[in-house]
Amino acid sequence: KAGVTQTPRYLIKTRGQQVTLSCSPISGHRSVSWYQQTPGQGLQFLFEYFSETQRNKGNFPGRFSGRQFSNSRSEMNVSTLELGDSALYLCASSDTMGVGETQYFGPGTRLLVL
Amino acid sequence: AQSVSQHNHHVILSEAASLELGCNYSYGGTVNLFWYVQYPGQHLQLLLKYFSGDPLVKGIKGFEAEFIKSKFSFNLRKPSVQWSDTAEYFCAVNDGGNTPLVFGKGTRLSVIA
Repeated sequence: KAGVTQTPRYLIKTRGQQVTLSCSPISGHRSVSWYQQTPGQGLQFLFEYFSETQRNKGNFPGRFSGRQFSNSRSEMNVSTLELGDSALYLCASSDTMGVGETQYFGPGTRLLVL
Repeated sequence: AQSVSQHNHHVILSEAASLELGCNYSYGGTVNLFWYVQYPGQHLQLLLKYFSGDPLVKGIKGFEAEFIKSKFSFNLRKPSVQWSDTAEYFCAVNDGGNTPLVFGKGTRLSVIA
């Protein structure tokens, strides 16, 4: 099976702009989670979608949003970008996120905000 | 809220040395425990996981970890490291199913010849 794919891989934006990142999970996986990775804060959970519904949400401002489509593909959007949003954004998929289930990570989208 | 501590920020070892990376989580109850590795330029991949049963779990590439419930710990071990083990290692915990992973800050391992 193909792994988790994320597009684009690299992105440069300026403050105030908005950005949309895309994630295609492993075929058959219905849960998609998003994480932000920075050198200072490490990996922090943004949100998780399962069957098109947001099931869990981390402690990020409302500028961060996401959605999931019927084919399980997911997008996350960041509006009004700030310099501090520069990070590696990781997407992970799993079947149901049940007990003991593994999340499989994609390569990430590296976002630089200037 | 659950939190995860990884005691060492950067570990430097010579090839063939033994490795132990510490991981502690903040509170008990039902937990699933994971170690992920991120090799330079590559994505996070699972080394091993524990969710029930034998507290000593074996993973890929000769790694193992021991879950000690009384110490809220899940330390990663390898008896003899290789240069190819140079990577960043992340411990992660979730509180049962359908809950997000909480990651430690990571430990960078550098293996020198």
